[in-house]
Amino acid sequence: DAGVIQSPRHEVTEMGQEVTLRCKPISGHNSLFWYRQTMMRGLELLIYFNNNVPIDDSGMPEDRFSAKMPNASFSTLKIQPSEPRDSAVYFCASSFFKPGDTQYFGPGTRLTVL
Amino acid sequence: GESVGLHLPTLSVQEGDNSIINCAYSNSASDYFIWYKQESGKGPQFIIDIRSNMDKRQGQRVTVLLNKTVKHLSLQIAATQPGDSAVYFCAENDRDSSYKLIFGSGTRLLVRP
Repeated sequence: DAGVIQSPRHEVTEMGQEVTLRCKPISGHNSLFWYRQTMMRGLELLIYFNNNVPIDDSGMPEDRFSAKMPNASFSTLKIQPSEPRDSAVYFCASSFFKPGDTQYFGPGTRLTVL
Repeated sequence: GESVGLHLPTLSVQEGDNSIINCAYSNSASDYFIWYKQESGKGPQFIIDIRSNMDKRQGQRVTVLLNKTVKHLSLQIAATQPGDSAVYFCAENDRDSSYKLIFGSGTRLLVRP
């Protein structure tokens, strides 16, 4: 199994630009999570999908952030317009939906907004 | 990947010694706990988990201990190796929202050769 796949691994952009991060979950998993990790705030859950449906987006910082999951094997996290404070590492994780199931993380996308 | 704040608790051990990393959790209703290892530039990697009906679980060179009375979790690594150097996070499952993992702030383990 290839594990969770994320792209790009690194993204450098200028303030105001649109950024799209991509994730392919582990085949067969029906839950997908987007996290953000920073020095100051640690790991924060942004949004959670179950069977491609967003269940909890309470962690999405503001309207500039949006996430979609058009099918079971693909999800995107979009930031428009991006700001320097969005600079962080963004992780995607997937799991089976069952209480307490282990989440498996991708390698992350390091985003730098200048 | 760093953790909360500018100061991450650090444990420094000699190669070959045993390591013990501790974690205090907050939610007495949590019933599932996971330890993750995060190496520099990588995502958190699952190490071992334990459910609240157990107080000890062993893996390969790792043991997790759970003390529900004082809400304390520990990860023991036997014969620590240079490859064990990483940041270790504990995570608890919030039973009220069963999918949500609450992550601890992390401990950096440094292994001295």
